[in-house]
Amino acid sequence: GESVGLHLPTLSVQEGDNSIINCAYSNSASDYFIWYKQESGKGPQFIIDIRSNMDKRQGQRVTVLLNKTVKHLSLQIAATQPGDSAVYFCAEGLNNDMRFGAGTRLTVKP
Amino acid sequence: DTAVSQTPKYLVTQMGNDKSIKCEQNLGHDTMYWYKQDSKKFLKIMFSYNNKELIINETVPNRFSPKSPDKAHLNLHINSLELGDSAVYFCASGYLANYGYTFGSGTRLTVV
Repeated sequence: GESVGLHLPTLSVQEGDNSIINCAYSNSASDYFIWYKQESGKGPQFIIDIRSNMDKRQGQRVTVLLNKTVKHLSLQIAATQPGDSAVYFCAEGLNNDMRFGAGTRLTVKP
Repeated sequence: DTAVSQTPKYLVTQMGNDKSIKCEQNLGHDTMYWYKQDSKKFLKIMFSYNNKELIINETVPNRFSPKSPDKAHLNLHINSLELGDSAVYFCASGYLANYGYTFGSGTRLTVV
C-alpha cells in the first residue's frame, strides 16, 4: 500500500504486505530528515533518519528514500505487522530546528 | 527509569486559570523542547532550550512561558488559559544538532 502523506492521511494495508508512506517537505535547505512513529496515547518515537547528502538508508524492516530534486521523502516498511499501526510523521531539520509534517495514519489489517 | 517524564498526564481546567506542566529528562541531553499537538495530530514546536538557554521561541502567545532551572528540566507555564489552548503538549530532549529526540508521553490539556 502507498500514501501521499499530506493528501491521504490514512493508509490501510494487509498484514505481511509492504507499506510506503510518502512525505513532501517544504524547505530545500533542510539538511536532515527523520521519520517518527506515534502510537496511540504515546509520544513520537524515532524510527530512522537520513542526511541530505544521502538518498537511501536502511534499517531493520524500514528504508527511507530521499529525493531532493522534488523534495520528497518516503518510508518503506517491509512485511508490515499489526504493531506497525500508528501515525507516522516525517520531519525536516535545519540549524537545530526540527519541523514535523502532517502525519499519515497506518492501519494494518490482520 | 522513564527517560523523559511529564506531569501531569491529564489536565482539565477552566478558562482563565494558570497552570504548569513539568518535564524532566534523565538522559543527559543538553537540549529540551516543547511541542504542541492539535486535534489533527499536527506537531508544532513551541520552545527549545539548550543548557538552560532559550534557542527557539516560536510565535507563541506570551501567556506561555517556559522555564529551565537546569538542563534536565523544562517546565511550561500557561497564564489565562483559553479554549484554544486545549491540545496535547509534548516535551522532548536531545543533543543539539542531533534530531533523534526522545519524547515524553504527553500532557493532554483540556480547557473548559
